[in-house]
Amino acid sequence: SQKIEQNSEALNIQEGKTATLTCNYTNYSPAYLQWYRQDPGRGPVFLLLIRENEKEKRKERLKVTFDTTLKQSLFHITASQPADSATYLCALRSYNQGGKLIFGQGTELSVKP
Amino acid sequence: GAVVSQHPSWVICKSGTSVKIECRSLDFQATTMFWYRQFPKQSLMLMATSNEGSKATYEQGVEKDKFLINHASLTLSTLTVTSAHPEDSSFYICSARKADTGNEQFFGPGTRLTVL
Repeated sequence: SQKIEQNSEALNIQEGKTATLTCNYTNYSPAYLQWYRQDPGRGPVFLLLIRENEKEKRKERLKVTFDTTLKQSLFHITASQPADSATYLCALRSYNQGGKLIFGQGTELSVKP
Repeated sequence: GAVVSQHPSWVICKSGTSVKIECRSLDFQATTMFWYRQFPKQSLMLMATSNEGSKATYEQGVEKDKFLINHASLTLSTLTVTSAHPEDSSFYICSARKADTGNEQFFGPGTRLTVL
């Protein structure tokens, strides 16, 4: 069966540390993968997109890696701040899903001061 | 750029009434718009995909006669929940894909629907 799985448990880290979130997928052929941030009661906010032929993408304190062999994407937030606390969603667009964006269940990140 | 708005942000209605939710892409043209619903502590579930000027494509298990979607222009899509019932209470989020890149997908702020 097809699955997208993110860290199921909430991630608690100390301010200033690097947060690393994981997204694993099964039985998809992703054209690209996107990461979003979602705050309670709000819609997702687009952060980064990484294509199947890209290994790594960076944007300010954010870094995303994409390993199509391991079928995994890692999302890093360096020098984390309490304001980074939110739920982070990974979503992939697969060649065999008609262009739909399929979401993981999200990982809740809490950064303590 | 790439702002998507939704209206209303929340709505409370009586069982049996219909509710319309608007989704607009404010600063870009969207050939494709999507409607999702999200229950508490769960991920986004795609309900339907709509392309401007054509009928929406609904996901399996989503009743097209209950959730009417109209994509009248490249910047506006509407979702009407007809004869709403308490089980339709949820967070509805629209999304728009930019016409020029075809890849990045931007989301609206969501609409909280509560059916009494």
